[in-house]
Amino acid sequence: QSALTQPRSVSGSPGQSVTISCTGTSSDVGGYISVSWYQQHPGKAPKLMIYDVTKRPSGVPDRFSGSKSGNTASLTISGLQAEDEADYHCCSYAGSYTLVFGGGTKLTVL
Amino acid sequence: QVQLVESGGGVVQPGRSLRLSCAASGFTFSSYGMHWVRQAPGKGLEWVAVIWDDGSTKYYADSVKGRFTFSRDNSNNTLYLQMNSLRAEDTAVYYCARDLSSKYFDSWGQGTLVTVSS
Repeated sequence: QSALTQPRSVSGSPGQSVTISCTGTSSDVGGYISVSWYQQHPGKAPKLMIYDVTKRPSGVPDRFSGSKSGNTASLTISGLQAEDEADYHCCSYAGSYTLVFGGGTKLTVL
Repeated sequence: QVQLVESGGGVVQPGRSLRLSCAASGFTFSSYGMHWVRQAPGKGLEWVAVIWDDGSTKYYADSVKGRFTFSRDNSNNTLYLQMNSLRAEDTAVYYCARDLSSKYFDSWGQGTLVTVSS
């Protein structure tokens, strides 16, 4: 159950797009269509933003999109807004009903 | 609306025990699997354990297996996490979260802080 690999930080200006990567192995990210992404503002609980690699829960803006290629999943946020500044965590199913998270990425909106 | 409220956190010495609770409301508790997820200070999230809707099956992260026990009381809409043989590395905010499709967390509590220190 090794953690997935995410960049520690990314940044972008309002209106731009940013992509956050999440790299695992064939035993987790690459082996299942079961990647999710969570947004977490400082001192707050995480919020589900993407599940099943590409699906958005009701209420999540379509500026947020997910994808996967091989052992790497990605979260893309287009039309960056100030309120998007937060930590983003990826998570993957890892078999045998276990789950593994990435280390989290801090998004700064310049 | 869905509400999850954790309690029971605090400061505990290494090797001692602590029991966390999570009170659920706003949904049919007995129809959902539930998880515990933790976050060490300044670190990422770590999945801890899952329990199925009827409490019959549980799975744990290797880091807590054999030390933590996850249980639920569907008559009182409450989850419990019994944590034994606590270590400094168990220091974290512990969140309970509702399960979606056995792989995701669609609602979260606000968390309770556990500090393991002598």
